[in-house]
Amino acid sequence: AQSVTQLGSHVSVSEGALVLLRCNYSSSVPPYLFWYVQYPNQGLQLLLKYTSAATLVKGINGFEAEFKKSETSFHLTKPSAHMSDAAEYFCAVSHGGSQGNLIFGKGTKLSVKP
Amino acid sequence: DAGVIQSPRHEVTEMGQEVTLRCKPISGHDYLFWYRQTMMRGLELLIYFNNNVPIDDSGMPEDRFSAKMPNASFSTLKIQPSEPRDSAVYFCASSTTPKDSPGQPQHFGDGTRLSIL
Repeated sequence: AQSVTQLGSHVSVSEGALVLLRCNYSSSVPPYLFWYVQYPNQGLQLLLKYTSAATLVKGINGFEAEFKKSETSFHLTKPSAHMSDAAEYFCAVSHGGSQGNLIFGKGTKLSVKP
Repeated sequence: DAGVIQSPRHEVTEMGQEVTLRCKPISGHDYLFWYRQTMMRGLELLIYFNNNVPIDDSGMPEDRFSAKMPNASFSTLKIQPSEPRDSAVYFCASSTTPKDSPGQPQHFGDGTRLSIL
């Protein structure tokens, strides 16, 4: 069975500091991995996705994530936080194939201090 | 491109009333998902459809909840009778997962914020 664990329900950084949001997954088959962002009163928006083409994936708004099979991790990073990055971030896993179902983590709320 | 469209955006109603939430998926997408999001339980998958057929409804909380997809461009989630504990944000999402390009993401609507008084 697949699962996703996001370490830290709340992360706080200063503006300009490194953002690191952690995600570990469990999957018995090669996974497809996703990061979504949710701004207040909005739906989830895709940030980036890993589909085995490259282990380092670049997404929108300067975010990137690295797939590490040995660590079963897919952590999200951004070198320099902006105030506008304050939102909730969700990691999700799928085994692709003919099933479109995603398993979501519980989310990490990112706060950015001025 | 039009995204996933949900209506209404907000719904406030009294306990015991019937509530119907609506969703129009992205054209060409063959998967449709209904989620519920609350502070306590986070994001929960309620049911999903493939080619208008319900595939997994194990997340539907109880018989008061029902979902239909009469055609490829429309789905409803109905709660009858509604209860205060049903208050949540309900999201619809759609995706396509062609066999030659697996691992496609889901695209979410902006949600319906439901309050049951």
